Amino acid sequence: DGGITQSPKYLFRKEGQNVTLSCEQNLNHDAMYWYRQDPGQGLRLIYYSQIVNDFQKGDIAEGYSVSREKKESFPLTVTSAQKNPTAFYLCASKREPQGNEQFFGPGTRLTVL
Amino acid sequence: GEDVEQSLFLSVREGDSSVINCTYTDSSSTYLYWYKQEPGAGLQLLTYIFSNMDMKQDQRLTVLLNKKDKHLSLRIADTQTGDSAIYFCAEVISGSARQLTFGSGTQLTVLP
Repeated sequence: DGGITQSPKYLFRKEGQNVTLSCEQNLNHDAMYWYRQDPGQGLRLIYYSQIVNDFQKGDIAEGYSVSREKKESFPLTVTSAQKNPTAFYLCASKREPQGNEQFFGPGTRLTVL
Repeated sequence: GEDVEQSLFLSVREGDSSVINCTYTDSSSTYLYWYKQEPGAGLQLLTYIFSNMDMKQDQRLTVLLNKKDKHLSLRIADTQTGDSAIYFCAEVISGSARQLTFGSGTQLTVLP
């Protein structure tokens, strides 16, 4: 059963702590993406990766970091430098960077207390 | 520049048609997408249209594209309560890496 999984679904952290959100796909897709969603706003791109061991900053990369050591995994770390980290985080993937269909995971809701 | 705009809310009665509108500013857009998001979930791709088309139909969904006015719409026929969700329009720019630019989403509420 192919798809994108994100864990955990809900995450609570204290202010000042780093936290890592997991994203795994078994679709054999080359490209992976991280978006942030805030109420009443569209999705904003944080980071993306077109191929293993390569990634680029999106529109709102400050305070976030990523790695792409394996094709199927693209974890996102929300660092203490991110001023307003409470949000819904969505991971997505595409077969290849120029592909038409982008598939999304179920999301992780991060709340910083 | 890139900017995608949608109205925030739409309410319709069950059985009526819903029309969700979207405007975009980048004339070099190649593909335009409609996604559906149910509460607390990820986005589900509903349909997409290539910029050289002006209409695409898929069962209850009809997408209309007016390139001259940079206007995209999604019509849902015979709207059901299960269609209640947020609908996002998104564009991809020719030659970009990419990566979608999303509108703010339209919350569709279907009233019984």
